[in-house]
Amino acid sequence: QVQLVESGGGVVQPGRSLRLSCAASGFTFSSYGMHWVRQAPGKGLEWVAVIWYDGSNKYYVDSVKGRFTISRDNSKNTLFLQMNSLRAEDTAVYYCARDYGAVYEYWGQGTLVTVSS
Amino acid sequence: EIVMTQSPATLSVSPGERATLSCRASQSVNSNLAWYQQKPGQAPRLLIYVASTRATGIPARFSGSGSGTEFTLTISSLQSEDFAVYYCQQYNNWPRTFGQGTKVEIK
Repeated sequence: QVQLVESGGGVVQPGRSLRLSCAASGFTFSSYGMHWVRQAPGKGLEWVAVIWYDGSNKYYVDSVKGRFTISRDNSKNTLFLQMNSLRAEDTAVYYCARDYGAVYEYWGQGTLVTVSS
Repeated sequence: EIVMTQSPATLSVSPGERATLSCRASQSVNSNLAWYQQKPGQAPRLLIYVASTRATGIPARFSGSGSGTEFTLTISSLQSEDFAVYYCQQYNNWPRTFGQGTKVEIK
């Protein structure tokens, strides 16, 4: 069965960096685009970034452009989100999700990132 | 950026009753509209895509309609497990955007 398991969250000071990972299993990872979606505590969902199945294209929400980088290692079935220059407003649960015709059919359980001094 | 606006913010419904949730886009998204359900402490679950197609395993009591800028999610007869927050999302343009959510609570 499809499984997506995020890791790498934690408490980090403003301005510092963090790298999230999403380990995929149960499907051919290299055939699917992958997304990061976040949810601030008590708030709604915000799409963050997408990477094409082969890494050839990437898109970001404006609020993270230049600070976050999405990448993938298809040989290790793993998706990444490198987050630099973190701000308090980046505090959220970060979910990875598998693309299915541009919607999100499978989601991980999420990893919490808290940006605080 | 396309702004998605959901109404109402909270919907109080008795079990067995019908629930109608609305989603409006600030510009046309054609039929590129999805609905998700989220329960506390859980990841969202895909319910509907292409405005009206149920995702795998989604019960027939969930139905979606609309195109362009106006969309509706209808739950024909609410079950206890349907009390949750529902989000619409457009995938016609970048960035993908979600509505702020409608909470369906027990009346």
